[in-house]
Amino acid sequence: KAGVTQTPRYLIKTRGQQVTLSCSPISGHRSVSWYQQTPGQGLQFLFEYFSETQRNKGNFPGRFSGRQFSNSRSEMNVSTLELGDSALYLCASSPGGTGELFFGEGSRLTVL
Amino acid sequence: KQEVTQIPAALSVPEGENLVLNCSFTDSAIYNLQWFRQDPGKGLTSLLLIQSSQREQTSGRLNASLDKSSGRSTLYIAASQPGDSATYLCAVDGGSQGNLIFGKGTKLSVKP
Repeated sequence: KAGVTQTPRYLIKTRGQQVTLSCSPISGHRSVSWYQQTPGQGLQFLFEYFSETQRNKGNFPGRFSGRQFSNSRSEMNVSTLELGDSALYLCASSPGGTGELFFGEGSRLTVL
Repeated sequence: KQEVTQIPAALSVPEGENLVLNCSFTDSAIYNLQWFRQDPGKGLTSLLLIQSSQREQTSGRLNASLDKSSGRSTLYIAASQPGDSATYLCAVDGGSQGNLIFGKGTKLSVKP
């Protein structure tokens, strides 16, 4: 059974640009969550989607947005990039019920 | 507001030693607690999930315990190996969809 797949794995952007990251959950999982990981703040929750609906959102500015498609694949978008957005962005999927989360390898974003 | 603390931040042990990693949380109203492993530059690998009604879970050389009343969890690793070297993270789920609250992790180094 394939795990959570995130693309791209690495990317470099400049300030002011925007970026879109993609996440394909484990087959059958309908919940997808996104996290930002930085050395200073650790892992912070961005948002969670279930059946194409955002059910929960963390404390991030509106520049961070996401969506989920009917096949449960999810994308997150960051507009007007800032240097502080450099981080590892992790996607996790869950079958629901037990609440156990399974993470992908992440997308490493560097903003110059 | 839930806060999760992991002590120590780093730990170095010789191969073969048994060790305990600690995790504490401030709000005992949790849905479950999950332990993860993260290798450098990689995503998170789920190790053990303990539901709030459970006291412990075991997988191979790993044993995790949960004491909700005292706000503590421990991860016991038996007969440590160099391949166990990684950062270990605990996270609590307060029932808020997809929003796990993570500790900062314990970086474990097992010396041959």
